[in-house]
Amino acid sequence: DQQVKQNSPSLSVQEGRISILNCDYTNSMFDYFLWYKKYPAEGPTFLISISSIKDKNEDGRFTVFLNKSAKHLSLHIVPSQPGDSAVYFCAATTKTSYDKVIFGPGTSLSVIP
Amino acid sequence: SAVISQKPSRDICQRGTSLTIQCQVDSQVTMMFWYRQQPGQSLTLIATANQGSEATYESGFVIDKFPISRPNLTFSTLTVSNMSPEDSSIYLCSVKATVMAFFGQGTRLTVV
Repeated sequence: DQQVKQNSPSLSVQEGRISILNCDYTNSMFDYFLWYKKYPAEGPTFLISISSIKDKNEDGRFTVFLNKSAKHLSLHIVPSQPGDSAVYFCAATTKTSYDKVIFGPGTSLSVIP
Repeated sequence: SAVISQKPSRDICQRGTSLTIQCQVDSQVTMMFWYRQQPGQSLTLIATANQGSEATYESGFVIDKFPISRPNLTFSTLTVSNMSPEDSSIYLCSVKATVMAFFGQGTRLTVV
């Protein structure tokens, strides 16, 4: 039973355009959501997060939107750059250090120069 | 933040053998988490390791196959036992600071 879903395994975007990566979750207990970026041969690195009490969080070119009623979040990257090409994982957890982080299957983003 | 070092970074092993992966954190943490990423797949949690007690394993993972040690608050090991080619994966150590998970660089294991 997949609690965090990313239905697009891959996405290709032109440099300078917007990249939109989508994520859905099923567990209502999750109250914190994170996006991680992973390059080959490296561990995942934290990108941006959002608490369930917010509907938007912005950090430079990266914005995460949360629709709690739909159990849906999205990551927007504007403008997209070739260095953004990586696998992006959506993840969900609760606000405690003792609870695990559950990851989605990932979306491979390719930004074409 | 936390800095996590994993050893080895990669290995090629013969089937039927075992490999122990080490994870060192630069600060004391209560819980450490071990994940596996099979080729083309997501990160799947293997187990949660709490210092001073037995690890808690997720469904589909058992202690005999993936024994874990947690001797102190900065160190843990994961052993992949009696390996088969299906165990070829990236194994990742992680710690969590409130809501954020930090990862080591991973151990890329190939079983031949």
